[in-house]
Amino acid sequence: GAGVSQSPSNKVTEKGKDVELRCDPISGHTALYWYRQSLGQGLEFLIYFQGNSAPDKSGLPSDRFSAERTGGSVSTLTIQRTQQEDSAVYLCASSSGQPNEKLFFGSGTQLSVL
Amino acid sequence: GDSVTQMEGPVTLSEEAFLTINCTYTATGYPSLFWYVQYPGEGLQLLLKATKADDKGSNKGFEATYRKETTSFHLEKGSVQVSDSAVYFCALSDQGGYNKLIFGAGTRLAVHP
Repeated sequence: GAGVSQSPSNKVTEKGKDVELRCDPISGHTALYWYRQSLGQGLEFLIYFQGNSAPDKSGLPSDRFSAERTGGSVSTLTIQRTQQEDSAVYLCASSSGQPNEKLFFGSGTQLSVL
Repeated sequence: GDSVTQMEGPVTLSEEAFLTINCTYTATGYPSLFWYVQYPGEGLQLLLKATKADDKGSNKGFEATYRKETTSFHLEKGSVQVSDSAVYFCALSDQGGYNKLIFGAGTRLAVHP
């Protein structure tokens, strides 16, 4: 595709519900990253995929957070039993995987947990 | 662990003013350094980068020099425009070798005519 696509762009949910956030990376990009941007804070790394495997998931804040990638393409970030502190913008990025190559970011999913 | 600290915003300037946004980092080894920009309503995009000490990254009139001795990568522009209004993020590339970026908190720049 032309760029990294994320859906939905906005998600409002109730505390305790599960949510799924989707990322479609640029075609051919083997590396995929999830970040979280909370109000007034920088981007917090969550997880990195190379192909379908996740060699670095060190940023996932709790076991309520999980992510998968299938076919070396689409990725889904799942948050179970959402809490108010999960409210943030969730950003996905992809790259060719070459050293120092730039990351291409999507526009993000704004998650609001009421 | 590795970290990035950048000056708090917002920074408010008049058009054609000189811009400096400070960025310092803490890292083991020699990371690559980046500035990303987020224009209103758009996703983050790379502005410039430098991959080794004393390198200067430049793009769209912006410059930043990788200073190992001061662990800094300050962003500068000689004459800002209204269209430069955005949030600027300094970042370093983790030494893990897969472009994992560690970001600063971001600095909002507002340029007025």
